[in-house]
Amino acid sequence: QKEVEQDPGPLSVPEGAIVSLNCTYSNSAFQYFMWYRQYSRKGPELLMYTYSSGNKEDGRFTAQVDKSSKYISLFIRDSQPSDSATYLCAMGGGSNYKLTFGKGTLLTVNP
Amino acid sequence: SQTIHQWPATLVQPVGSPLSLECTVEGTSNPNLYWYRQAAGRGLQLLFYSVGIGQISSEVPQNLSASRPQDRQFILSSKKLLLSDSGFYLCAWSWGTTTNTEAFFGQGTRLTVV
Repeated sequence: QKEVEQDPGPLSVPEGAIVSLNCTYSNSAFQYFMWYRQYSRKGPELLMYTYSSGNKEDGRFTAQVDKSSKYISLFIRDSQPSDSATYLCAMGGGSNYKLTFGKGTLLTVNP
Repeated sequence: SQTIHQWPATLVQPVGSPLSLECTVEGTSNPNLYWYRQAAGRGLQLLFYSVGIGQISSEVPQNLSASRPQDRQFILSSKKLLLSDSGFYLCAWSWGTTTNTEAFFGQGTRLTVV
């Protein structure tokens, strides 16, 4: 079993839709969680960082963490064409300095 | 504020040639520094990380090496490139005071070995 599993998509939605992106993980040592957005041929950009179970909201984005189920989600409300990108989940924890990434989900929001 | 610079943005090199990619961070001291490679459909692969000057940890044995000659400078090198070294290389940094911290990425270098 891979440490982090992410639905690969691709995912195509109409403008204004609610988007749900998900990752599951197997390593109980993971204690903090991130979502990155990566546009084509660019470096990943940090969207959300969260340390605890529950929801964290930032504008149209909500990150959800369920440590008991080892499951994290990113919700995008009122999706826009500019949200079209690859979304990567990442997580870390313990005494090392490394993050473990999902393989990314390619999202296309159609106008 | 902190910024990370990575160059060049694109590079085409012949097989057997040397490689040097440079990354610098501004606005913070003693950052943790990382080199990743990203291949289509394979996600981000951690190649090297460094928690201080001269301290390099290698994650994947391969044709590449890394050095950290200054606190905020991280260099990825190869003496002889292989076709399989083609890919998108990303430098990143994180806060050096804690392990539980997010990473911030540069804009990447797209390397094509021909």
